[in-house]
Amino acid sequence: KQEVTQIPAALSVPEGENLVLNCSFTDSAIYNLQWFRQDPGKGLTSLLLIQSSQREQTSGRLNASLDKSSGRSTLYIAASQPGDSATYLCAVYTGTASKLTFGTGTRLQVTL
Amino acid sequence: EPEVTQTPSHQVTQMGQEVILRCVPISNHLYFYWYRQILGQKVEFLVSFYNNEISEKSEIFDDQFSVERPDGSNFTLKIRSTKLEDSAMYFCASSTNRQGVQGYTFGSGTRLTVV
Repeated sequence: KQEVTQIPAALSVPEGENLVLNCSFTDSAIYNLQWFRQDPGKGLTSLLLIQSSQREQTSGRLNASLDKSSGRSTLYIAASQPGDSATYLCAVYTGTASKLTFGTGTRLQVTL
Repeated sequence: EPEVTQTPSHQVTQMGQEVILRCVPISNHLYFYWYRQILGQKVEFLVSFYNNEISEKSEIFDDQFSVERPDGSNFTLKIRSTKLEDSAMYFCASSTNRQGVQGYTFGSGTRLTVV
């Protein structure tokens, strides 16, 4: 059974800092991994999608990497801003489970 | 950018009542899903739907739940007799294929409160 863990559970950083969010998964037989942003009480906004054959994806200040063999992904946020404050979720699609399995999320607060 | 639309955004219902949550997936997507998130917990898979039938469902998706694509554009989740523990945010999602080669697009959710 696929298990997805995200560390840290919460993070508070001053504006301008670069930061790394971690995601690990137990079953490496994934098709892809997707990072989402969730604002309080709101829906899931897709940030980056990495296919199992890819090593990283970039969008603006965001960079996501994938090491499938070790079951890890990181989301790097450069020059953080208060508007980045949200919960970040990673989710993996595993062929054996035929569904997205979500992590517990990292709640990020960027302070002025 | 194409969106998945969910209505209503918030629904309050009495325990034992039936509720229908509605979703309009992205028009060229073929796979449709319902997930839910109980407050403070992980997002959990409920059901996937393809070619007018359920393709996968979780143990949460018991006989109280049903899904339907009544008219080729809407995708609905019905809970027959709501329980307090059904209170959660329900998310609809769609994708072009089962593995989500182009990713999964989620709607903004329906917050269901059972009182």
